[in-house]
Amino acid sequence: GQNIDQPTEMTATEGAIVQINCTYQTSGFNGLFWYQQHAGEAPTFLSYNVLDGLEEKGRFSSFLSRSKGYSYLLLKELQMKDSASYLCAVNRGNRDDKIIFGKGTRLHILP
Amino acid sequence: DVKVTQSSRYLVKRTGEKVFLECVQDMDHENMFWYRQDPGLGLRLIYFSYDVKMKEKGDIPEGYSVSREKKERFSLILESASTNQTSMYLCASSPRDRAYNSPLHFGNGTRLTVT
Repeated sequence: GQNIDQPTEMTATEGAIVQINCTYQTSGFNGLFWYQQHAGEAPTFLSYNVLDGLEEKGRFSSFLSRSKGYSYLLLKELQMKDSASYLCAVNRGNRDDKIIFGKGTRLHILP
Repeated sequence: DVKVTQSSRYLVKRTGEKVFLECVQDMDHENMFWYRQDPGLGLRLIYFSYDVKMKEKGDIPEGYSVSREKKERFSLILESASTNQTSMYLCASSPRDRAYNSPLHFGNGTRLTVT
């Protein structure tokens, strides 16, 4: 079957670092996306990985290991505005309808 | 910036009503999608369209239909609304000719309550 797992909720402190993990088992793999979604708003794109390794973009980094079916999103220097849900999504093929989403991780930032 | 606009943020409808959810994008994207988002289930694809007049079923099409008469507009139709269709509905779009890492662009969602 197709499965994407990520923790339901996490809590971290302002200024700290947090790592949100995502594991996947899919029939195909053509890239992994991370989206951020604030409550009541649209998901917005954060990062994309298709090759193994780390992609860094400012305070956010995303890592992929295709052999392990594993990715993580690393958020540094946490700010209160980072309180949101983070969605892991895998494209199983070469069309956008092949994208499947994890259930999302709700991140709470404490002052 | 790509803008995907959903006509209503909140809707309350009665069981059995026919419901129309409208989505418009302003970036000339060929691909458009309708998802529903439920707690504990994540985003699930209902229908999608890769061209005008074209539509394909996603993972959970039962109880829904769609219309794509113009490139910029993709409508989701609930033929006879039921309480289990109470959900957040998200529209998304993407270009046909795109870089491999080009993301989906989402609207802000329509929260539909069926009573």
